[in-house]
Amino acid sequence: DTAVSQTPKYLVTQMGNDKSIKCEQNLGHDTMYWYKQDSKKFLKIMFSYNNKELIINETVPNRFSPKSPDKAHLNLHINSLELGDSAVYFCASSPWSSPGPIYYEQYFGPGTRLTVT
Amino acid sequence: KQEVTQIPAALSVPEGENLVLNCSFTDSAIYNLQWFRQDPGKGLTSLLLIQSSQREQTSGRLNASLDKSSGRSTLYIAASQPGDSATYLCAVNSGSARQLTFGSGTQLTVLP
Repeated sequence: DTAVSQTPKYLVTQMGNDKSIKCEQNLGHDTMYWYKQDSKKFLKIMFSYNNKELIINETVPNRFSPKSPDKAHLNLHINSLELGDSAVYFCASSPWSSPGPIYYEQYFGPGTRLTVT
Repeated sequence: KQEVTQIPAALSVPEGENLVLNCSFTDSAIYNLQWFRQDPGKGLTSLLLIQSSQREQTSGRLNASLDKSSGRSTLYIAASQPGDSATYLCAVNSGSARQLTFGSGTQLTVLP
């Protein structure tokens, strides 16, 4: 039972192309995130969606467009790919509210390794 | 803006040693702090989560502590094994979107 899944796992493409990465979670969470891990292995938040609404966009070029068709899915579309977009992209999800103690643990997908040539 | 620092950047120890990894953060208004493990070319494995109201959490040979007021957390690994070799990431949950801010990691090598 995969909690957070991403497709594809690997993506190799040429500069200038447009590509999409898909993310799905079956945890019933309200909030989903995209993180980017660069060549130096540093992980940084890109986007966050809560109940299909964008709640954070961390100075990401507008070539990146997230889309959330429903609470369980958050896809990332990238236009006009550049060499610098090569990285590992991680999707994550977490509950927005908790009936008990505040928890908000984030669950991560396996990552998508994007290589732009 | 939240900033997270991890020290040391790399650590090499002989098998069997106990060790401590350090994490510090600048904004104490956090929801929780998570420690992750990442093996080369792999995804993130969540090790421990400490809520902001907690002081420590334990799982097997791992113990994580949190001192929110001073902006510090430590991950203690007892009786280290070669299989513990990986990069350990500290991530602080804070902000209006409850996003994680990651440290740059500590690369641990446990020598047999």
